[in-house]
Amino acid sequence: DGGITQSPKYLFRKEGQNVTLSCEQNLNHDAMYWYRQDPGQGLRLIYYSQIVNDFQKGDIAEGYSVSREKKESFPLTVTSAQKNPTAFYLCASSPRTTDFWGYTFGSGTRLTVV
Amino acid sequence: AQSVTQLDSQVPVFEEAPVELRCNYSSSVSVYLFWYVQYPNQGLQLLLKYLSGSTLVKGINGFEAEFNKSQTSFHLRKPSVHISDTAEYFCALVMIKAAGNKLTFGGGTRVLVKP
Repeated sequence: DGGITQSPKYLFRKEGQNVTLSCEQNLNHDAMYWYRQDPGQGLRLIYYSQIVNDFQKGDIAEGYSVSREKKESFPLTVTSAQKNPTAFYLCASSPRTTDFWGYTFGSGTRLTVV
Repeated sequence: AQSVTQLDSQVPVFEEAPVELRCNYSSSVSVYLFWYVQYPNQGLQLLLKYLSGSTLVKGINGFEAEFNKSQTSFHLRKPSVHISDTAEYFCALVMIKAAGNKLTFGGGTRVLVKP
């Protein structure tokens, strides 16, 4: 079955460390997105990519970095510059068409700084 | 700039009672509108979407929503809820023809269905 796989489901990081969250899709979607979810704040866009080797900052990109070397993969690195990284991170994808119908989401990664 | 406001952060409701979740939006251009549901520690699942046409949209699990352009609202309703409807619900929009098809989400409404 086609879908989006995020790994790991739970991740613990020590302060000052970088950590990378994985997002892989086999839906043949061109566009991929990373959102951060905090209680009561909904989802906020971190980065997005519409094609391979290209990506743009979202609303809260500071302290994060991404790469898009393959169509199927869009990893997110949470750097030590991110002051409050504890959150639930969601990856999504969509076809890059004019008839937009919404995203397909992964099941998320919960990151906790210890 | 665009924004989505979900007017209730929590909605308690008894089983088999109706529920309405309110969503208002603001945008300088035309939008598509969506409702997503999230169960604990999971991703989001699309409930329904409004792209064009009839303003009453039917989705999965018996949910429906009505697009009201004059009131810039997209309220979600279900006539009779089940325990399994306990979840968080998100309203979202995308600006038509804007680059990137970026979804903007509301803050979410947590529905607790009580027996």
